[in-house]
Amino acid sequence: DTEVTQTPKHLVMGMTNKKSLKCEQHMGHRAMYWYKQKAKKPPELMFVYSYEKLSINESVPSRFSPECPNSSLLNLHLHALQPEDSALYLCASSRAEGAFHEQYFGPGTRLTVT
Amino acid sequence: GQNIDQPTEMTATEGAIVQINCTYQTSGFNGLFWYQQHAGEAPTFLSYNVLDGLEEKGRFSSFLSRSKGYSYLLLKELQMKDSASYLCAVRGNTGKLIFGQGTTLQVKP
Repeated sequence: DTEVTQTPKHLVMGMTNKKSLKCEQHMGHRAMYWYKQKAKKPPELMFVYSYEKLSINESVPSRFSPECPNSSLLNLHLHALQPEDSALYLCASSRAEGAFHEQYFGPGTRLTVT
Repeated sequence: GQNIDQPTEMTATEGAIVQINCTYQTSGFNGLFWYQQHAGEAPTFLSYNVLDGLEEKGRFSSFLSRSKGYSYLLLKELQMKDSASYLCAVRGNTGKLIFGQGTTLQVKP
């Protein structure tokens, strides 16, 4: 199983809503990542979890709150988002953080903030 | 600073060979990755180079010159399904992947 799954595939939310994005992998990977990708732009790293601990926070606004309940799951909690936060949110995982470990990406959640 | 440059768009003909270049200036170097991304889909891993030279994997090859801060992705026997965006990404000292802007390749019949 070399798959990273993400739910939901699409999400439309208002600026006062609270929602969560979910990511799951069963490859035994110990590093998991959240990226944000705008149209025709490359993915931008948001957060990295290594062995279930937050390793990197790329100065992401607090309206995005990551959570890693266990080694297979990664959540991104959303609250009071802005329209400019509309983007494709990609989850990725790798065997470990650092050196050569290719990242496997999930299909993404396309988020629209109205 | 960190900078990764790739051409924005390229066009090639089915059956031909195309080379997508990537130049980089980063704080440290711990490997260079190429990813393929079809519109609306997730990036998929194509290749990894950490030592100078050519890595070949089927129709795809990737080359690295660390002294020149340069890599290329070579696609042979192009197929229509190769139309996609190709992302060059460098892992720097912090361990993060830094992506280039991507090259959109259009393969024409």
